Amino acid sequence: DAKTTQPPSMDCAEGRAANLPCNHSTISGNEYVYWYRQIHSQGPQYIIHGLKNNETNEMASLIITEDRKSSTLILPHATLRDTAVYYCIVRSPNSGNTPLVFGKGTRLSVIA
Amino acid sequence: GAGVSQSPSNKVTEKGKDVELRCDPISGHTALYWYRQSLGQGLEFLIYFQGNSAPDKSGLPSDRFSAERTGGSVSTLTIQRTQQEDSAVYLCASSPRQDSYGYTFGSGTRLTVV
Repeated sequence: DAKTTQPPSMDCAEGRAANLPCNHSTISGNEYVYWYRQIHSQGPQYIIHGLKNNETNEMASLIITEDRKSSTLILPHATLRDTAVYYCIVRSPNSGNTPLVFGKGTRLSVIA
Repeated sequence: GAGVSQSPSNKVTEKGKDVELRCDPISGHTALYWYRQSLGQGLEFLIYFQGNSAPDKSGLPSDRFSAERTGGSVSTLTIQRTQQEDSAVYLCASSPRQDSYGYTFGSGTRLTVV
C-alpha cells in the first residue's frame, strides 16, 4: 500500500468547513483513498473512500486531485463531535482482507 | 449483534498474570482483526483471521501473545505473563468482505498492567 503524509494536527472553528489534506504521491492506478476517524476512547470509524472521482456522503466529501497524488477530506460544517484523529489510507481493493495499516493521522480539534 | 462487542471494557491486572480479552464480531463477518493502541500512539496490527484459513500472526509482538477464533465467530486474545509495556487499548474489528470500508471496530478493552 502506498505511503500517505498528513499534518499532525489542525484546528477548525465550529460551523466552518474542515479541510484535511493528505499526500499520497506514490499511489498506483488501482489504489483507493480511504478515510477513517477515531474519536477519543472509541474504535476507528469508516468515513468515505474514492478512486479518482470526487465522492460525497452524509458524513463528508472527498476531493482527489487529477493526478491522484493528493486528496482532501472536507467536513462541510464541523461540530464539536467531529473532534477526532483522521486517518488517510491508500489501499488496493485486491488487498483482500489483509489488515489496514494506520499511520499517525491528523488530530482535528473543533473549537467553539 | 449490531456491532462488534469487546469485553471487558477495562481490565487492571498485576504484572506476571495472564489475561484474556474477548471479541464478538458482527454476525456473518468472515474476517476478524486485533489491533492495539498504546497511549498517544497509532494503531498497531497484531493478528487477523479470515474464515477457516490459518491466521496471520505477523504483528504479534512476542510469544506471550496468542489468539484463537472458535467456530469462525468469537475470538479471544490471550496475553501471558503480562508486562507493563502491554498496557494499551486492544481493539477488535471485523469485516464481511475484501473492501476496506467494511471494517467495523469495537470500543476496545483498556488493559492496565500494574
